[in-house]
Amino acid sequence: AQTVTQSQPEMSVQEAETVTLSCTYDTSESNYYLFWYKQPPSRQMILVIRQEAYKQQNATENRFSVNFQKAAKSFSLKISDSQLGDTAMYFCAFSLLTGGGNKLTFGTGTQLKVEL
Amino acid sequence: EAGVTQFPSHSVIEKGQTVTLRCDPISGHDNLYWYRRVMGKEIKFLLHFVKESKQDESGMPNNRFLAERTGGTYSTLKVQPAELEDSGVYFCASSQDRTSGGYTDTQYFGPGTRLTVL
Repeated sequence: AQTVTQSQPEMSVQEAETVTLSCTYDTSESNYYLFWYKQPPSRQMILVIRQEAYKQQNATENRFSVNFQKAAKSFSLKISDSQLGDTAMYFCAFSLLTGGGNKLTFGTGTQLKVEL
Repeated sequence: EAGVTQFPSHSVIEKGQTVTLRCDPISGHDNLYWYRRVMGKEIKFLLHFVKESKQDESGMPNNRFLAERTGGTYSTLKVQPAELEDSGVYFCASSQDRTSGGYTDTQYFGPGTRLTVL
């Protein structure tokens, strides 16, 4: 079975600064996906960024980037130039690489607060 | 394009009562998932539909939970009878099904239904 661990329940960062959220996972599989989702207060959960395990290059989406260390089973999220709108609960998630749709395994989440 | 919708947004019921949650996925999405987050814990998978068929129901906690997906469109999750430990936020998500190359499509989440059992 796969597990995902987020060891930082809460974090805060000043506006315009950079923050890194950590995530580790455990799996015996070699082909899988990793995701970061965010859930702003009272809003729907949306995908921030995804990484295919077979790709060595770290994924980036504008101000969001990941540091994917497959051997260490680590998948951290870096948010650059933090904005007030980045305040949200961030969930790290894992799914296997199989056809036909795949369930997500989530971590417990990191509550990020961006402050003025 | 309308996103995933869920109804109701919040439900408060007494222990022993029945509650039915509804999820309307994005039109054309064959995959529909139910997840649950108990306060302070991780979001856990409950089950997965492909069209009207249950693909994986390994996360369903017990036989008090019944999920259906009528005609491969909307889905309902019924809890009968509800217990205190069923309280939490129930999320629904949907995705397209692209199996070629093992590609996993993004799961789009609904806003969730917060269930409180007293």
